[in-house]
Amino acid sequence: DSGVTQTPKHLITATGQRVTLRCSPRSGDLSVYWYQQSLDQGLQFLIQYYNGEERAKGNILERFSAQQFPDLHSELNLSSLELGDSALYFCASSVRGHRETDSGNTIYFGEGSWLTVV
Amino acid sequence: ELKVEQNPLFLSMQEGKNYTIYCNYSTTSDRLYWYRQDPGKSLESLFVLLSNGAVKQEGRLMASLDTKARLSTLHITAAVHDLSATYFCAVDTGDMRFGAGTRLTVKP
Repeated sequence: DSGVTQTPKHLITATGQRVTLRCSPRSGDLSVYWYQQSLDQGLQFLIQYYNGEERAKGNILERFSAQQFPDLHSELNLSSLELGDSALYFCASSVRGHRETDSGNTIYFGEGSWLTVV
Repeated sequence: ELKVEQNPLFLSMQEGKNYTIYCNYSTTSDRLYWYRQDPGKSLESLFVLLSNGAVKQEGRLMASLDTKARLSTLHITAAVHDLSATYFCAVDTGDMRFGAGTRLTVKP
């Protein structure tokens, strides 16, 4: 158990709908990352937050948005869903969002949220 | 844009054999990570490499980093079935970018 909690574990929804995925990072971790894993696209970095602020943005679609709340949990909102959005969405967390430390920045992954769009 | 390339993408090995997975990346970084993923499961951290020449070993797996060549390797010694999984490298440039993964199958 990595300490990163994601809900829901499985979700089936129809095209055009909107869903919210939730993530609680490990205790003490300030950074939260979202990744999308699909068979044809591999593990795609979507977005990173550090202590409530957006730190880095990857291949996140405009239909998707995320935020990190004061209690450090994060939500990924997916709207106007398409069949191609079906994937496993991972949240990960780490202690920091900077590179100042010498101990590395291992990120710890949650179990993922399986999204199926039908 | 940062590119992280792994090869091979698919690897089928016999038990007892040795093999190496390669991870090339396109930007300057001295922080490279290896993860393992079992089918349908989460990613588990294997190694953290934080400097040029770093070498880490755990059981039958050994990882190394050459920052000048922008290359990391994951060497598998005397493979066993339990090592069957997908292995990812990731480069830290402020955010974490992953390679496509190497799906390893070890056959008896």
